[in-house]
Amino acid sequence: EVQLVESGGGLVQPGGSLRLSCAASGFTFSSYWMSWVRQAPGKGLEWVANIKKDGSEKYYVDSVKGRFTISRDNAKNSLYLQVISLRAEDTAVYYCARDFTVASYDYWGQGTLVTVSS
Amino acid sequence: QSALTQPPSASGSPGQSVAISCTGTSSDVGGYNYVSWYQQHPGKAPKLMIYEVSKRPSGVPDRFSGSKSGNTASLTVSGLQAEDEADYYCSSYAGSNVFGTGTKVTVL
Repeated sequence: EVQLVESGGGLVQPGGSLRLSCAASGFTFSSYWMSWVRQAPGKGLEWVANIKKDGSEKYYVDSVKGRFTISRDNAKNSLYLQVISLRAEDTAVYYCARDFTVASYDYWGQGTLVTVSS
Repeated sequence: QSALTQPPSASGSPGQSVAISCTGTSSDVGGYNYVSWYQQHPGKAPKLMIYEVSKRPSGVPDRFSGSKSGNTASLTVSGLQAEDEADYYCSSYAGSNVFGTGTKVTVL
């Protein structure tokens, strides 16, 4: 059974940082592109970043470029999102998702909530 | 990249059909056959319902169908059931990925 389990969210002050993690199981992690998608409270979905199977290519939405870094450790079946210089508008549930075909995601984690507030 | 435009709400009675539109531009919906649709129940993660405009993943009922014409994609839910009440989001490849604004489907 495919499982994606996020962790690392929490309350952080503006300007602060966090490292989100996603533990994958039930599939060959190194065979898939992976993505982070976020959802602000009561709002819609927003693609944040994705990373190629071997980590050699990474892409970001413009609003997080230079502040967020996606990475993976295929030996640990884990996906990460390092977030710095956090802003109130980064407050959201952050989902880890497995890329299925171009711009589609067939498995999602339960999400981890990041709240940016003083 | 601007969000794709969806109607805020749609509704239908059990057994009826409801169609949800997703309007973009020639740089996203109209330019690629990479439109997908997601169902999201409150407090839950999204679920993939349609990919590549009209393909259904394994396990998704054939009551769900997708299509595209020009810059507008559509999701049709036929034979509405109570469990279809949820938020629905489209997404499209656009160099990166862009999601729609979301539609709340109510089963009357």
